[in-house]
Formats: sequence, C-alpha cells, structure tokens
Amino acid sequence: ILNVEQSPQSLHVQEGDSTNFTCSFPSSNFYALHWYRWETAKSPEALFVMTLNGDEKKKGRISATLNTKEGYSYLYIKGSQPEDSATYLCAFMRTSGSRLTFGEGTQLTVNP
Amino acid sequence: GAVVSQHPSWVICKSGTSVKIECRSLDFQATTMFWYRQFPKQSLMLMATSNEGSKATYEQGVEKDKFLINHASLTLSTLTVTSAHPEDSSFYICSATLAGGGFHNEQFFGPGTRLTVL
Repeated sequence: ILNVEQSPQSLHVQEGDSTNFTCSFPSSNFYALHWYRWETAKSPEALFVMTLNGDEKKKGRISATLNTKEGYSYLYIKGSQPEDSATYLCAFMRTSGSRLTFGEGTQLTVNP
Repeated sequence: GAVVSQHPSWVICKSGTSVKIECRSLDFQATTMFWYRQFPKQSLMLMATSNEGSKATYEQGVEKDKFLINHASLTLSTLTVTSAHPEDSSFYICSATLAGGGFHNEQFFGPGTRLTVL
C-alpha cells in the first residue's frame, strides 16, 4: 500500500498572502509526481508533472519543487487570489504506465 | 485540448437499479481510461483501468460483476453500477491518457458523477 500524504488538509488565507503546502510520498521506486488543481464542480486540472530530483516548475504564480530522495514536494502560491481557491491534489506514480496514487488534497480558500 | 466529459453529472436512483455513467474524450483518442471513486473526506481511489477493446483491470476489493466497465471505442468508456445499494453512493470520476501515454502518463479528468442511491 502506497502512502501519499498531504498537509495541511485545509488552509484559509487572505488575498495577497503567499502560501505553500506539502505532499509526501514513498522515496523508493519513484517515477513521477503529479499536481492537480480541482475547483468545485469542475474537472481536476493538471498543474505539473515532476520527475527529476531537484525539479522546480512554475506556472504563473504557482510553483512546485521536488525532492525524490526524501519523498516530498512543495507547492507554492505567491500572492494568492480568490480564484486560487480550490483543492490541490498530488499523485504519485511508481513506474511508467502504473497507477496514480492520490493524496487526500489540500483545500485552499482565499478570502478577498 | 484534452477535454474529458462525463455524463450524467449527478444521478439519484432507487436501491436495486442499475446506473450507467459515460466518460468521453472529446478531442483526443484515449487508449486507456481510469475510473475512480471518492468517498467524503477521502482521496480518489482507483477502481479499474480500462483499455480500449480489452477487459478492464480491477483493483483489489472492487467487484467486477458489480461495476461493469466497457471501453468499446477510443473515445468512450462506460461504468455501470449494477444493483446499486446505498453504500454505492459516492462520487465517481473518470480520467483518460493520450494514446501513447502522453507526457509521463498525464491523466485528463472528467468532472465526475455524484451517485446517490436511496
């Protein structure tokens, strides 16, 4: 059984605050780590697919880092906006073509 | 691009009836589709992996006779919950990968179906 854990479970921030959350996963047999953004009543949207230790990816105000040796990834949001409110999911993939194992997600609410 | 639709978005049915949920890739061919289930405050749990033209592979603990999966074309997979019971009430969501696996097997998700069994 693979354990993918995300923290915190939920987070409330004010507009303009920067925030970050964590995804931890097994450090052995790593292939890829996926981050998704899931707004209520919409489809989960892929943010990043990360594969290399030390990877850092950025999309607008959102960025992510990856440490495969210690088994964690951070997602950062700079200057949060109300439209960033969503659940952020990470998912671990052990080998190419294998299943995605999801964490429970971090629910972010950005108050105007 | 890479849009996946799911229908219906919500359904309420009586105990003992069967419910069919459709998952379609609208603008790409999906050789592989996945079906997940999510209970409240829990993570997405993979139920089965469906490959076009072949039998689905079910995860441990998922009854294949209860959750019938058909993937007859490169753009459509269906999940039928047979003889539904209240404990089957859940959120069901599908995803698809591009033919050839795409970028590190990136999955594109539908919006999900909320099933309530009375």
